[in-house]
Amino acid sequence: AQSVTQLDSQVPVFEEAPVELRCNYSSSVSVYLFWYVQYPNQGLQLLLKYLSGSTLVESINGFEAEFNKSQTSFHLRKPSVHISDTAEYFCAVSGHGSSNTGKLIFGQGTTLQVKP
Amino acid sequence: KAGVTQTPRYLIKTRGQQVTLSCSPISGHRSVSWYQQTPGQGLQFLFEYFSETQRNKGNFPGRFSGRQFSNSRSEMNVSTLELGDSALYLCASSGGDRNIQYFGAGTRLSVL
Repeated sequence: AQSVTQLDSQVPVFEEAPVELRCNYSSSVSVYLFWYVQYPNQGLQLLLKYLSGSTLVESINGFEAEFNKSQTSFHLRKPSVHISDTAEYFCAVSGHGSSNTGKLIFGQGTTLQVKP
Repeated sequence: KAGVTQTPRYLIKTRGQQVTLSCSPISGHRSVSWYQQTPGQGLQFLFEYFSETQRNKGNFPGRFSGRQFSNSRSEMNVSTLELGDSALYLCASSGGDRNIQYFGAGTRLSVL
């Protein structure tokens, strides 16, 4: 079974400051890892994913996340945030194997509040 | 390419009624997964359908059921609604890799 822990429920930060949203996971099998973003009254948008290969993955809007197997973490970072980054961010895991395919396990979410 | 479409966007029902939600996946996607989102429990996996067969199921009572049609469209049904079923129901579709999921805007169900 897999589980995901997002260590901060809310992260307030000033515009143009750097931010890190923390995510730790637990799994008995190899995993795929994801970050999703949810804006108010909308569904989830895939921000970035780690499937295999390079442990550092990047999104088109400046976010990056690093898969750390030894620390079972997949923290999300951005060097300079904008007001428009204000949203809820979800870390998710999917395990390898037929019993886990197609099933995402989500963390409780982190609300990123960017202040002017 | 159109995204995942969920209908209706909003629903109000009363306890004891049943409800059917619809999801049209991205063209070419054959896998559809359903999730329930509530403030207390967060995002929870309901079930996944691939090629008209349920492949995975979460820990929800039998009142929650689903199906998938030959064109990959999926429906989710909840019978004998309870107040606790009030939630945002999200559908996601996947193409070649069933772990990479793209979500619709959701159906917000309110049970009174």
